[in-house]
Amino acid sequence: EVQLVESGGGLLQPGGSLRLSCVASGFTFSTYWMEWVRQAPGKGLVWLSEVRSDGSVTNYADSVKGRFTISRDNAKNTLYLQMNSLRAEDTAVYYCARGGYFRNDYWGQGTLVTVSS
Amino acid sequence: QSALTQPASVSGSPGQSITISCTGTSSDVGAYNYVSWYQQHPGKVPRLMIYDVSNRPSGVSNRFSGSKSGNTASLTISGLQAEDEGDYYCRSYTTSSNYVFGTGTTVTVL
Repeated sequence: EVQLVESGGGLLQPGGSLRLSCVASGFTFSTYWMEWVRQAPGKGLVWLSEVRSDGSVTNYADSVKGRFTISRDNAKNTLYLQMNSLRAEDTAVYYCARGGYFRNDYWGQGTLVTVSS
Repeated sequence: QSALTQPASVSGSPGQSITISCTGTSSDVGAYNYVSWYQQHPGKVPRLMIYDVSNRPSGVSNRFSGSKSGNTASLTISGLQAEDEGDYYCRSYTTSSNYVFGTGTTVTVL
């Protein structure tokens, strides 16, 4: 059974940094692109970033380019999202999702990030 | 990258068919056949319903179908059922090598 489990969310002040993790199981992690998607409270889904199966290629939404960094450790079956210079508008549930083939077929349960003073 | 445009809400009676549109540009929806659709029930995780414009993953009811014409993709739900209520999002690959979601549509079964 495919499972994606995010962690690392929490409450922090504007300007702060946070690293989210997503541990994958039930599939060969090292052969899939992986992605991060977020959803602000009561709002829609927003695509953030993707990383190629071997970590050699990354893509970002313009809204987070330069502030967020996606990475992965295939030995640990773990996806990461390093978030810097956080703003109130970054408050959201952050989902990791299995990518590849231009679709997200499995999603984690999400981790809530709240940016507030 | 601007979100794809979807109607805020669509409703129908049980058994009816409804269609949700997803309008983009020649740089996203119109550029590739890489449109996918996701269903999200309140408080739940999104679920893949359609990929590559019109393909259904295993386990998704054949009441769900997708199509595309030009810069607009569509999701049709036939034989509407109470369990189909929820939010629906389209997503497209773009010429900037990233993805964009739609604004989301709330489906209500009357």
